Amino acid sequence: GAGVSQSPSNKVTEKGKDVELRCDPISGHTALYWYRQRLGQGLEFLIYFQGNSAPDKSGLPSDRFSAERTGESVSTLTIQRTQQEDSAVYLCASSLEGGPPQHFGDGTRLSIL
Amino acid sequence: QRVTQPEKLLSVFKGAPVELKCNYSYSGSPELFWYVQYSRQRLQLLLRHISRESIKGFTADLNKGETSFHLKKPFAQEEDSAMYYCALSDSGAGSYQLTFGKGTKLSVIP
Repeated sequence: GAGVSQSPSNKVTEKGKDVELRCDPISGHTALYWYRQRLGQGLEFLIYFQGNSAPDKSGLPSDRFSAERTGESVSTLTIQRTQQEDSAVYLCASSLEGGPPQHFGDGTRLSIL
Repeated sequence: QRVTQPEKLLSVFKGAPVELKCNYSYSGSPELFWYVQYSRQRLQLLLRHISRESIKGFTADLNKGETSFHLKKPFAQEEDSAMYYCALSDSGAGSYQLTFGKGTKLSVIP
């Protein structure tokens, strides 16, 4: 494909609602990362997938956050019972096996009202 | 672990040398990276210290004594204007759980 694709590009929702963010990595990239960036801050690691497994989910901030990946391709990040502090840009990145995040998507800008 | 980029904004004239500062604190064996985001483009990996390569004229040397990984270019070009992020990873970890700095916006004045 043309690169890492994320959807939606923008999401505005009310506090307490659940949201689902999607990432389509570059075909053949087995490593997939989720990061988030709050306003004026650096990127924060959330979770790493190698294939469909998540050997490192240490960055998920609470049990309201979960993620899965299927077919060694698409990944979804789900945030339940959203809070205002969840407002951020959520970025997905992919890379060849074992490599650092190399290609990022445009991100999903999430705003919690 | 922490990554500090002391300058939020750095302005230099075209043709002048540029140095984007990055300092880190980490007790293990770090691997350092520079990422760049040009206007209206996606974040992308610029270089990593273990490669010891020059990308777009930029180089960065890991100085373990000073815990720094400054990004340098001898002659800045207008197309270098972008947001630059320094990042650190534990080279012994199973994943590249990068810790990013807050970024420095480089503006090259024509």
